[in-house]
Amino acid sequence: DAGITQSPRHKVTETGTPVTLRCHQTENHRYMYWYRQDPGHGLRLIHYSYGVKDTDKGEVSDGYSVSRSKTEDFLLTLESATSSQTSVYFCAISGEVYRSPSNYGYTFGSGTRLTVV
Amino acid sequence: GDSVTQMEGPVTLSEEAFLTINCTYTATGYPSLFWYVQYPGEGLQLLLKATKADDKGSNKGFEATYRKETTSFHLEKGSVQVSDSAVYFCALSDTNNAGNMLTFGGGTRLMVKP
Repeated sequence: DAGITQSPRHKVTETGTPVTLRCHQTENHRYMYWYRQDPGHGLRLIHYSYGVKDTDKGEVSDGYSVSRSKTEDFLLTLESATSSQTSVYFCAISGEVYRSPSNYGYTFGSGTRLTVV
Repeated sequence: GDSVTQMEGPVTLSEEAFLTINCTYTATGYPSLFWYVQYPGEGLQLLLKATKADDKGSNKGFEATYRKETTSFHLEKGSVQVSDSAVYFCALSDTNNAGNMLTFGGGTRLMVKP
């Protein structure tokens, strides 16, 4: 989608190695999110950010860390990748409903398919 | 906490059939409700939304009405096409949710046969 990009699109890595996924937005939105999508589980929130240097844990945060040093970038790091972290990772952004209710919504990136071998 | 429950799939229909995918929710505040669609190999696209009770969201022939009394947001389409085959996700964001995050249902796969 225009306004949000994820990199890389695909990655294969070995167990125990660190991995960083990047989400970049050009919409100047306050909120950014990392979700993972797995068969049978839908989308589950890993971490989110509500401003520069303001982040918090989601439902499945163990084994992941995040950083947001600029409004436009939200990084997801797997400190030591495990096979259970093989998944498709989606970044999303949103504004605030009261600022523009008619335009309010969440925009998702195209996803990163991560395989840990 | 917040939660979204949607009917399990897969839902298999013939072309031009009527579609309903049920979605109910629980929330502590005043949620906005969404339907997202995911086509094979792609990310999630917003299909429609409603930000307050009794609002009707609509797009591409799909409709859903925000029913606060039944805590539901069922997705409907009068005549499905093969190109509607995808996974559909119901989701909510809650005003009591400090992070403004989306809570998703488990997704419903729709398969439309010619």
